[in-house]
Amino acid sequence: ETGVTQSPTHLIKTRGQQVTLRCSSQSGHNTVSWYQQALGQGPQFIFQYYREEENGRGNFPPRFSGLQFPNYSSELNVNALELDDSALYLCASSLSWENTEAFFGQGTRLTVV
Amino acid sequence: DAKTTQPNSMESNEEEPVHLPCNHSTISGTDYIHWYRQLPSQGPEYVIHGLTSNVNNRMASLAIAEDRKSSTLILHRATLRDAAVYYCILKRSGAGSYQLTFGKGTKLSVIP
Repeated sequence: ETGVTQSPTHLIKTRGQQVTLRCSSQSGHNTVSWYQQALGQGPQFIFQYYREEENGRGNFPPRFSGLQFPNYSSELNVNALELDDSALYLCASSLSWENTEAFFGQGTRLTVV
Repeated sequence: DAKTTQPNSMESNEEEPVHLPCNHSTISGTDYIHWYRQLPSQGPEYVIHGLTSNVNNRMASLAIAEDRKSSTLILHRATLRDAAVYYCILKRSGAGSYQLTFGKGTKLSVIP
């Protein structure tokens, strides 16, 4: 039990639609990161938020966006869904962006049809 | 971030020690070595991390070569619950994002 919860656990969307995934971090963790994990691959970094500001981004297009709220919750929004967006989406929270332990949620499995 | 190389898969008998190797020949002086594992149908789980000296915690030990170009994660007594994909990751210290760059990892199978 990591104290990081994600919702929903599974989701099916149609190509072209928009989706919002949610994450509730551990209390006191002011850093949250989002990852995309395709089947059989390691997680790929999407972006990170620190104190409600984006402070790092991986190689993902602008249609992937996020928000972090003062109550330690966050969102990942994906617009104009493509079939290749089908993946497990993971959020991870940590006390800071320094070399501390990251706590991952169990993920949201998104299927785009 | 610098790249790591791990074997695709390894097998271990239950109750035996397991040594999971990782090569990182391009590691820089400020790179920390992190290990995470991912059990089936779960998110990754932190195992251990270190910089230069060997490290121990309740889950595992991390042995770091003197030149830091390789490291070994040691599970002292493998259990069935240790069957997972193990990721060796280099994380640069300093200001910036807390990006973990995952490779494909080593899939560990534990034989009863």
